[in-house]
Amino acid sequence: KNQVEQSPQSLIILEGKNCTLQCNYTVSPFSNLRWYKQDTGRGPVSLTIMTFSENTKSNGRYTATLDADTKQSSLHITASQLSDSASYICVVTYSGNTPLVFGKGTRLSVIA
Amino acid sequence: NAGVMQNPRHLVRRRGQEARLRCSPMKGHSHVYWYRQLPEEGLKFMVYLQKENIIDESGMPKERFSAEFPKEGPSILRIQQVVRGDSAAYFCASSQDPFRGYTFGSGTRLTVV
Repeated sequence: KNQVEQSPQSLIILEGKNCTLQCNYTVSPFSNLRWYKQDTGRGPVSLTIMTFSENTKSNGRYTATLDADTKQSSLHITASQLSDSASYICVVTYSGNTPLVFGKGTRLSVIA
Repeated sequence: NAGVMQNPRHLVRRRGQEARLRCSPMKGHSHVYWYRQLPEEGLKFMVYLQKENIIDESGMPKERFSAEFPKEGPSILRIQQVVRGDSAAYFCASSQDPFRGYTFGSGTRLTVV
């Protein structure tokens, strides 16, 4: 069964601190993995997209890693800001024009 | 380019009424996807359409739900005879090339009372 599991479910950190979110997947055959940020009441916005051959990809203070052998990905946020408070969703695509498989997300709260 | 436009943003329906949700994809995008998000849950795929054709509707409930993406005009997700369990946020995403990227709308929040 194609599944995407994320941890932790929720996380509270102080402004300026770093954090790492985890994603494990069982989607096969794997095409690509995406991290999205979803603010409350809004649609998801893409942060990174990684294919099988990519290990690391950065987008500003966001750095995503992918280990296709262990089927794990992480999203590292550096020097967190209050505006980083959102749900971060790991999404995996398998081959073909098939739909995205979404994780339930990690709810991040950055506090002053 | 205004992005993916969904309307209405909020929709309240009484049990038994019909709900009609609209999605205007980004200009040039011919692929449209509908997803449903229940509270505290991840987005769940419902249906994938490509101009006038339903490509994959494996996530759609067999009854009461239908979707279309006509040659002209927005994509419509129609829910007939709504029940309380239909209350959720419904998101539409569009793409020019599904392997490259998707753009999501802000969603329609349906509340059935």
